[in-house]
Amino acid sequence: AQSVSQHNHHVILSEAASLELGCNYSYGGTVNLFWYVQYPGQHLQLLLKYFSGDPLVKGIKGFEAEFIKSKFSFNLRKPSVQWSDTAEYFCAVIPTNDYKLSFGAGTTVTVRA
Amino acid sequence: GAVVSQHPSRVICKSGTSVKIECRSLDFQATTMFWYRQFPKKSLMLMATSNEGSKATYEQGVEKDKFLINHASLTLSTLTVTSAHPEDSSFYICSARVGDGRALVDTQYFGPGTRLTVL
Repeated sequence: AQSVSQHNHHVILSEAASLELGCNYSYGGTVNLFWYVQYPGQHLQLLLKYFSGDPLVKGIKGFEAEFIKSKFSFNLRKPSVQWSDTAEYFCAVIPTNDYKLSFGAGTTVTVRA
Repeated sequence: GAVVSQHPSRVICKSGTSVKIECRSLDFQATTMFWYRQFPKKSLMLMATSNEGSKATYEQGVEKDKFLINHASLTLSTLTVTSAHPEDSSFYICSARVGDGRALVDTQYFGPGTRLTVL
């Protein structure tokens, strides 16, 4: 079975700082990758996804992620965060021959004004 | 985007009672819905996959007789926690799978979750 690891449990930043959240997965085959965000008191929302093609994926709200197959990584980035980016961020993976999402443990991001 | 609702958003019940949680896809039909459980400071754990018109598929370690799932229509799945106990207290989240018919893998849209507290 596949597993997903997120390196940081809690990241604290100031506004305008750059953000990078690490995500690695372990699975021998082809996967599809997702980043979800959960704002305080709200439901999980899809930030971006990678199925195939350009490994640099752009999502909503200025986020992007890069799939590096050789490193089994799918790191999330944002050049300049805002206070409203305070949330829980989850990386998730599905093997291409499956339909079940496996989630990482999540990273809490706190942006200070 | 696709919208998924859950009802109730919060429920408190006594130990030994049963609680039903509804998950609805509001503006699309979902042949497959998923039920997750989220513990504090932890990730989402998939409990079961609910397919319209057929029995749910449960993940290893999830008691199917305790967590009854019914997917009666293309827009509604229900999770019933039977004979609830304090250890069942958790945040339960459903998702609905939206597909374009061309790919096996597509996108899941999540409901807002239901906070269950069993006293």
